Amino acid sequence: SQTIHQWPATLVQPVGSPLSLECTVEGTSNPNLYWYRQAAGRGLQLLFYSVGIGQISSEVPQNLSASRPQDRQFILSSKKLLLSDSGFYLCAWSRNTGSSGNTIYFGEGSWLTVV
Amino acid sequence: QKEVEQNSGPLSVPEGAIASLNCTYSDRGSQSFFWYRQYSGKSPELIMSIYSNGDKEDGRFTAQLNKASQYVSLLIRDSQPSDSATYLCAVNPYYKLSFGAGTTVTVRA
Repeated sequence: SQTIHQWPATLVQPVGSPLSLECTVEGTSNPNLYWYRQAAGRGLQLLFYSVGIGQISSEVPQNLSASRPQDRQFILSSKKLLLSDSGFYLCAWSRNTGSSGNTIYFGEGSWLTVV
Repeated sequence: QKEVEQNSGPLSVPEGAIASLNCTYSDRGSQSFFWYRQYSGKSPELIMSIYSNGDKEDGRFTAQLNKASQYVSLLIRDSQPSDSATYLCAVNPYYKLSFGAGTTVTVRA
């Protein structure tokens, strides 16, 4: 079966500090990978998605970046965090069948508080 | 216009009653529709997916899809306190999901 893990689960970072969230998927190959953010009391916002190694699409211009150094690894980064970056960050995956309709499965999430 | 819209709620129902959740979407080319449940502080978990017009039942959950009206709903029968959560409607016009803001359901014992 497929599993997805992301870490760290919780972190508190000062404004201007860097960020690195990591996500790995097991039990499948060449998945689509996603980073979503959920601000307090708000819906899920797609930040980045990737259909393959080194292929990253950004949905929202911001001070975050994503990388996919390996097939099943997805990393969310920032060089300098802003207060507005606080939120619940979710990594997710879906099967890459080249068509729409693929179910997305979420990791456990990472709570980020920028102070 | 938002891609996916849901009644924000909160929706409060007594235990044993039917909870009815509604969702509309803007992209007429959408083909895949999903309902996720999200407990407070946790990540969303898939409840149901539906791809064809009509009803799809899974236990106490029934999803209904009407593509002509661009409308998808979720019914929760015999609501239990454990059903208290935020329910997210998601639509997949291509290969990335667009989510509604969610409807918070509270089941009163």
